Amino acid sequence: AQSVTQLGSHVSVSEGALVLLRCNYSSSVPPYLFWYVQYPNQGLQLLLKYTSAATLVKGINGFEAEFKKSETSFHLTKPSAHMSDAAEYFCAVSASGGYQKVTFGIGTKLQVIP
Amino acid sequence: DARVTQTPRHKVTEMGQEVTMRCQPILGHNTVFWYRQTMMQGLELLAYFRNRAPLDDSGMPKDRFSAEMPDATLATLKIQPSEPRDSAVYFCASGLDSAGAIGYTFGSGTRLTVV
Repeated sequence: AQSVTQLGSHVSVSEGALVLLRCNYSSSVPPYLFWYVQYPNQGLQLLLKYTSAATLVKGINGFEAEFKKSETSFHLTKPSAHMSDAAEYFCAVSASGGYQKVTFGIGTKLQVIP
Repeated sequence: DARVTQTPRHKVTEMGQEVTMRCQPILGHNTVFWYRQTMMQGLELLAYFRNRAPLDDSGMPKDRFSAEMPDATLATLKIQPSEPRDSAVYFCASGLDSAGAIGYTFGSGTRLTVV
């Protein structure tokens, strides 16, 4: 079984400031980890994924995340927030090794203040 | 870009009525998921199919919900009878066998309101 915990249901940052969205996971087997973004009234869009290759993963829109096994974390970062980054972000986990269902966190709403 | 198409986008219905939501997965994808999103529960997995066969529908209330894939291009989620607590956004997602390593493509959702 696997699960994710997203710390902070709402995060506010100023435009141009660092974005840090936290995610911790639990998995009994090596995990695959994902970050998805959801804009208002839209479905989820894959931002980036970790699948046991490089631990620092780069995604779209300047986001990146680092897999830290010792901390069971997969935090999402972006050096400089843009107004268009305002959205809800979901961390997700699935077990590696073939087909597995994906479990999502509760989501973090990012507000970007001008 | 290939898309997962969900219809209708919005549905308002009265309690007790039947509701059918439809999903057209991306051509060639053999795995289909149904998720429900609410403020309180977040994203809940209701059911998923692989090669049109249901693999797991343990997240779905069996007494009123049913999910089917009559063919590879159509997945349906039905609620009968609907209740106000079913009000939510229902998402369909599709992927390939190894999608655990790729990620899934989500549709835009069906926003259901039961009054």
